[in-house]
This record gives sequence, C-alpha cells and structure tokens, in this order.
Amino acid sequence: DTAVSQTPKYLVTQMGNDKSIKCEQNLGHDTMYWYKQDSKKFLKIMFSYNNKELIINETVPNRFSPKSPDKAHLNLHINSLELGDSAVYFCASSQEQAYGYTFGSGTRLTVV
Amino acid sequence: AQSVTQLGSHVSVSEGALVLLRCNYSSSVPPYLFWYVQYPNQGLQLLLKYTTGATLVKGINGFEAEFKKSETSFHLTKPSAHMSDAAEYFCAVSDYYPDKLIFGTGTRLQVFP
Repeated sequence: DTAVSQTPKYLVTQMGNDKSIKCEQNLGHDTMYWYKQDSKKFLKIMFSYNNKELIINETVPNRFSPKSPDKAHLNLHINSLELGDSAVYFCASSQEQAYGYTFGSGTRLTVV
Repeated sequence: AQSVTQLGSHVSVSEGALVLLRCNYSSSVPPYLFWYVQYPNQGLQLLLKYTTGATLVKGINGFEAEFKKSETSFHLTKPSAHMSDAAEYFCAVSDYYPDKLIFGTGTRLQVFP
C-alpha cells in the first residue's frame, strides 16, 4: 500500500479549465500539506491542514482551494488554470515535525 | 525566519569518489534539519534527519550528515559514490509555527563512470 498517494500522476489541460488533484494518506498522520515544485525544482509550501483544519495558506491565488473531507484526504482544486500554474504538485503528510514528512509521488500539471 | 542555502546547484563526481553536498541554515531556535532525495519523476524520499542528540547522523544508502552549530551547517556526505546516487538532493529546515518544511534550492548530483 502506498503511504501517500496522489491522483492523477499527469494532468494536461487547457488554460481556463478547472481541475482537481486528490491526495490520500494511510499513515494515520494528523497533518497534510501541498507543495508546489516549479521548473527550477524549487519547492514551496502552499497549504497545510491539521485534522481537517486549515493551518497554512501561503500567499496562494484564491483560484487554488484545498479541501480536507477527513484527516486522511487533502484535495486541491484549481479554477481558471493559467500557464504559470504548470508545475509538479506534491502532497505530503506528517505526524510530528521531528519525523519529517512523507511525500507522494507528485502530480505533473501542464497547462497549454 | 528559518532559511536554507545549498551551495552548488550541480555537483559532479566519479563513481567511487567522495560525495559532499553543502547545506547552511539560518534559524533563531535549535533547528530540525533534513536531507531529501528526489529521483527523476519521483517524489521526495527522506535520507536522514537531525533533531537532537548525536550531531553525526546516518541515513539510508550510505549517506551521513553532520550538524555543526558553530558553522550553521548540515553537509551531506557519502564516502563512495554509486551511479544510482544520481538524483536531486534537498536540504530542509523545520519552521515551528506554523509547522512547515523550508527547502533549499536543491543540488543535482551527477555520477560519472
């Protein structure tokens, strides 16, 4: 069983469309995150949720909306996609900071 | 605020040579420090971490790192590089509240036969 799984792995879509990325973790962790990795491989946090409560919303355009139906799931919905949204989006989870994060395998989003 | 600087965006070594990837951090409190590895088209995998205690930490695949408070460094080393070590390596520091990992810009390791 994959610890942190994301779907889809690849997503190609046109500008202006709305898309969602799903994330699930089976580790029993309380906190989940979304990170964006740009074309230069730079990783930046977007959101975090702790037990379904939004903790971090890091200056992300409000076209991006996370949703956590339960502590095992954190989905990312993106409205009106723009070319600049093209990136790899990683979901992660953790129980305690000292243990580090467990990352999913990423979703490569390409907006054309 | 916490931050991480990785010196050298690209490092090339021969197979069997020493690997040294540099990481310096800035933190106003005792840091938690991490090294992650990313293989092509994959997610990030935790290599090793420093929280408290022994300053020399050992990780997976023969990697180790030493926390040096006086130098604010957490360099990653491996005595003998293997072709399979070719990947992107990220150093990260924990920010405490709110809890998040802050990553360096990454170092791409190439290993030549």
